[in-house]
Amino acid sequence: QKEVEQNSGPLSVPEGAIASLNCTYSDRGSQSFFWYRQYSGKSPELIMSIYSNGDKEDGRFTAQLNKASQYVSLLIRDSQPSDSATYLCAVPNQAGTALIFGKGTTLSVSS
Amino acid sequence: EAQVTQNPRYLITVTGKKLTVTCSQNMNHEYMSWYRQDPGLGLRQIYYSMNVEVTDKGDVPEGYKVSRKEKRNFPLILESPSPNQTSLYFCASSPGRGREQYFGPGTRLTVT
Repeated sequence: QKEVEQNSGPLSVPEGAIASLNCTYSDRGSQSFFWYRQYSGKSPELIMSIYSNGDKEDGRFTAQLNKASQYVSLLIRDSQPSDSATYLCAVPNQAGTALIFGKGTTLSVSS
Repeated sequence: EAQVTQNPRYLITVTGKKLTVTCSQNMNHEYMSWYRQDPGLGLRQIYYSMNVEVTDKGDVPEGYKVSRKEKRNFPLILESPSPNQTSLYFCASSPGRGREQYFGPGTRLTVT
């Protein structure tokens, strides 16, 4: 069974700072990686997908993938209090029929 | 608006009383799935469906049933709910195998 590991946090950053969230995965053959944001009591919301080594930028979010080291990270620039949430890293299982989620990292942005 | 909907959003019931949670998507996705989320355990898949009339077990299928008679709908059935099924349930749909999944708003179920 694939495993996805995340530091549970909480990660606390001041408003305007860069928040860095990390995720490691066990299956070297994984090809797709997803970052979700989940507010308390709400559903996971897809914020980034990344499939190839390197960086992918979307607005204030940058996903970074390093397949050789088996980690994927999410950078949030100019962090806002509204970014305070739990961030979930996910990879598909081997059959592609489910997403395997990490336990999530809780981010707190203080104003 | 592309979305996954679930009903009801909140449900309190008693042990053994059959219930159904509905799920519908308007994105014409072939793939749909049910997850439950529990503190400390994260999100775990219950059942999935690759297409109409094609369903299979996920990681935690015990005590649940599903059906897929139409492409857009994927109801979750608890025929005899027990307190250990108290959880937050999410339906999700996906454009394909190994792809991103889009989640419904969730159903918070309490079984007493």
